[in-house]
Amino acid sequence: QVQLVQSGAEVKKPGSSVRVSCKASGGTFSGSSVNWVRQPPGQGLEWMGRIIPFLGMANYAQQFEGRATLTADRSTSTVYMELSGLRSEDTAVYFCARGSTDLRSRFDPWGQGTLVSVSS
Amino acid sequence: SYVLTQPSSVSVAPAKTATITCGGDNIGSKSVHWYQQKPGQAPVLVIYYDSDRPSGIPERFSGSNSGNTATLTISGVEAGDEADYSCQVWDSDSNHVVFGGGTKLTVL
Repeated sequence: QVQLVQSGAEVKKPGSSVRVSCKASGGTFSGSSVNWVRQPPGQGLEWMGRIIPFLGMANYAQQFEGRATLTADRSTSTVYMELSGLRSEDTAVYFCARGSTDLRSRFDPWGQGTLVSVSS
Repeated sequence: SYVLTQPSSVSVAPAKTATITCGGDNIGSKSVHWYQQKPGQAPVLVIYYDSDRPSGIPERFSGSNSGNTATLTISGVEAGDEADYSCQVWDSDSNHVVFGGGTKLTVL
């Protein structure tokens, strides 16, 4: 049973960048997509984009185009999400979640979440 | 962009049935997934492709989808079902995954 393990909490200054990792434990991302979803404090879920690791192909939600970058290291079964130009509104818990290559796919399982706090 | 509308809160007494709706334009033509999220935890899939249940999810959880409304039904509600529930679809027009705003289920 694949589990997704994310990197630890981050505190960042406005204008800086953050990179969050998501590692498959007990398996690989073969044949899967890895999606990134964020959740600001007290708010709902927001999809950021996804990457298909075995293809290296990523697509992004419009509001994150040019600011988010998804990459994959197949040798370590790890996916990375980098978000640049951080602002206070980016303070949120960031989740990775496995899907299939089907765009309609469900997300299961999810990583434990990584809190990114942006403050001067 | 495609919008999914959920009630902000639903309250139900133990052992009763909870119904959580997810409204969207012709949502019946889309595949809907439902997640349960407890405070401080990651979401957990409870229903996928409208009405399928992952292994380990009790039969008390069921789903349906038709017209402009998808519905998550929890029968025989237990205290442990208290959580936020969110629906999800893929919008082919925008090429985006869309989530509903979430519904907080309170067990009285």
